[in-house]
Amino acid sequence: DQQVKQNSPSLSVQEGRISILNCDYTNSMFDYFLWYKKYPAEGPTFLISISSIKDKNEDGRFTVFLNKSAKHLSLHIVPSQPGDSAVYFCAASVAGTASKLTFGTGTRLQVTL
Amino acid sequence: GAVVSQHPSRVICKSGTSVKIECRSLDFQATTMFWYRQFPKQSLMLMATSNEGSKATYEQGVEKDKFLINHASLTLSTLTVTSAHPEDSSFYICSARGVQGARRAFFGQGTRLTVV
Repeated sequence: DQQVKQNSPSLSVQEGRISILNCDYTNSMFDYFLWYKKYPAEGPTFLISISSIKDKNEDGRFTVFLNKSAKHLSLHIVPSQPGDSAVYFCAASVAGTASKLTFGTGTRLQVTL
Repeated sequence: GAVVSQHPSRVICKSGTSVKIECRSLDFQATTMFWYRQFPKQSLMLMATSNEGSKATYEQGVEKDKFLINHASLTLSTLTVTSAHPEDSSFYICSARGVQGARRAFFGQGTRLTVV
């Protein structure tokens, strides 16, 4: 049972444009969401997070939007840069579970010149 | 951010042998550490959660006798894959959380295990 889903396995965006990565979840107990960036054979690197009491969090070029009613979150990267090319995972956790994360399946972002 | 170091980064072992993977928090005390496994082109699957000084909690379907986890100190957790088989070949990643109640965990760089 995949509680966190990223339905787009890959995305290609031109440099300078906006990248939008989507994530859907089914467990209404999730109250904290994170986005990680991952290169092959490396561990995930934290990008940005959002609590369920917010609907938007921004950090530099990265913005995460949360729509609780739709159980949907998205990561916006603008402007996209070639160095952003990686696999992006969204993850979610339930309060009181000691940061146990449930990961989505990942979206491979390719930023082209 | 905090630094989590995982060692070795890659290891090849023969079937039937055991392999130990170390996960260290370098600049903070990790009250909780997590071990994940990732198959090619798939998501990270949580295997177990370990708290310093207590037994690890394993996720459903993970064999505790096969994947031995020890969290003997606040800066070190180890995962031992016992009697390894080719199907255990995978990418193993640890993460560590410091302060109680913190919602973000920091990841190690992962270990690529190949069993031949």
